[in-house]
Amino acid sequence: LAKTTQPISMDSYEGQEVNITCSHNNIATNDYITWYQQFPSQGPRFIIQGYKTKVTNEVASLFIPADRKSSTLSLPRVSLSDTAVYYCLVGEDTGGFKTIFGAGTRLFVKA
Amino acid sequence: EAQVTQNPRYLITVTGKKLTVTCSQNMNHEYMSWYRQDPGLGLRQIYYSMNVEVTDKGDVPEGYKVSRKEKRNFPLILESPSPNQTSLYFCASSLSGTGVPPLHFGNGTRLTVT
Repeated sequence: LAKTTQPISMDSYEGQEVNITCSHNNIATNDYITWYQQFPSQGPRFIIQGYKTKVTNEVASLFIPADRKSSTLSLPRVSLSDTAVYYCLVGEDTGGFKTIFGAGTRLFVKA
Repeated sequence: EAQVTQNPRYLITVTGKKLTVTCSQNMNHEYMSWYRQDPGLGLRQIYYSMNVEVTDKGDVPEGYKVSRKEKRNFPLILESPSPNQTSLYFCASSLSGTGVPPLHFGNGTRLTVT
């Protein structure tokens, strides 16, 4: 798995857009980028996955530049309930036995 | 509803008293795994199973046992629990053990060993 670097924590206010960037300079050709969200005392939850360019679903958007050395998870108009830890995983096996979760980014949304 | 179900959610026990945490998934997933989560240490994999009767050690297997006799069930067994196994445990499953299908997690089991 490619090593990833993401901020340890971020603060935001309700209604703002939040962008969490993950660096993965050693990403390989076959690697996908996957983001999970974990609320306190709950298991991580898959939120989005992409390979290149932009992916959007009902929860978030994922922006991946052409060189794929970084990616940005974008959460539109966050609410208090978006307070959670967000994990960036990069690899060709991020759904199985090689899955490794790092420390993640702790997002705290304030009223 | 597609889900991974762990039981119990909370468990308090004493050192040396054998216990089992159950995990069941209803998505016909081949891959299942157990993690423990401790403050400052993140999620660490205990054991995983690529399919029925196929299990292997993760990063922190000492003191734990697992079995995969059926596709849907993957119990975690602590034969002789010790206080250092006090932790939050998560079971997860995915369609297969390779590739990038998303992992589905249970709601966790908070274990306290006194």
